[in-house]
Amino acid sequence: AQSVTQLGSHVSVSEGALVLLRCNYSSSVPPYLFWYVQYPNQGLQLLLKYTSAATLVKGINGFEAEFKKSETSFHLTKPSAHMSDAAEYFCAVSEGQGFQKLVFGTGTRLLVSP
Amino acid sequence: DVKVTQSSRYLVKRTGEKVFLECVQDMDHENMFWYRQDPGLGLRLIYFSYDVKMKEKGDIPEGYSVSREKKERFSLILESASTNQTSMYLCASSRLDTVAKNIQYFGAGTRLSVL
Repeated sequence: AQSVTQLGSHVSVSEGALVLLRCNYSSSVPPYLFWYVQYPNQGLQLLLKYTSAATLVKGINGFEAEFKKSETSFHLTKPSAHMSDAAEYFCAVSEGQGFQKLVFGTGTRLLVSP
Repeated sequence: DVKVTQSSRYLVKRTGEKVFLECVQDMDHENMFWYRQDPGLGLRLIYFSYDVKMKEKGDIPEGYSVSREKKERFSLILESASTNQTSMYLCASSRLDTVAKNIQYFGAGTRLSVL
């Protein structure tokens, strides 16, 4: 069965610092991997996705993630945090084509201080 | 632009009431999903539907039922609300094809309080 582990329920950074949110997955077949962001009092919005093309994936708002099969990881990074990045971030996995469900991690809340 | 609309942002109900949460999507998507979101637990799948009148249980279906009479609408029903169903409920939809790569689009959520 698929699963996702997000290390750290809260991550705090200063404005301008590197953002690193960790995600490790478990899947029996090549996975599709996603990062979603949830701003306060809103639904989830897709940040980026990996679907077996390039291993380095660029998303919206300057975020990117790298698929590392050997480490079963899909960590999310941003070189320089902005106050507007404060939100909750969810990693999710699905088992490729034809399998429509997503399994979500427990989320990481990013706090950005001035 | 993709749109998933949940009929209520906030609901307050009494224990034992029958509760309906409504979700409408305007993208002609085949798949629709209901999740509940609780702090520290992430999103957990309650039910999903891949076609009109079709439904499948997710990971936590107990205490819930669903209805999908039209392609664009997916309803979540709490037959007899209990306090442990106080939560944020999120609806999502996705296309049933390989091009879409299982991307799900979410509504803004309904925060339900059961007193």
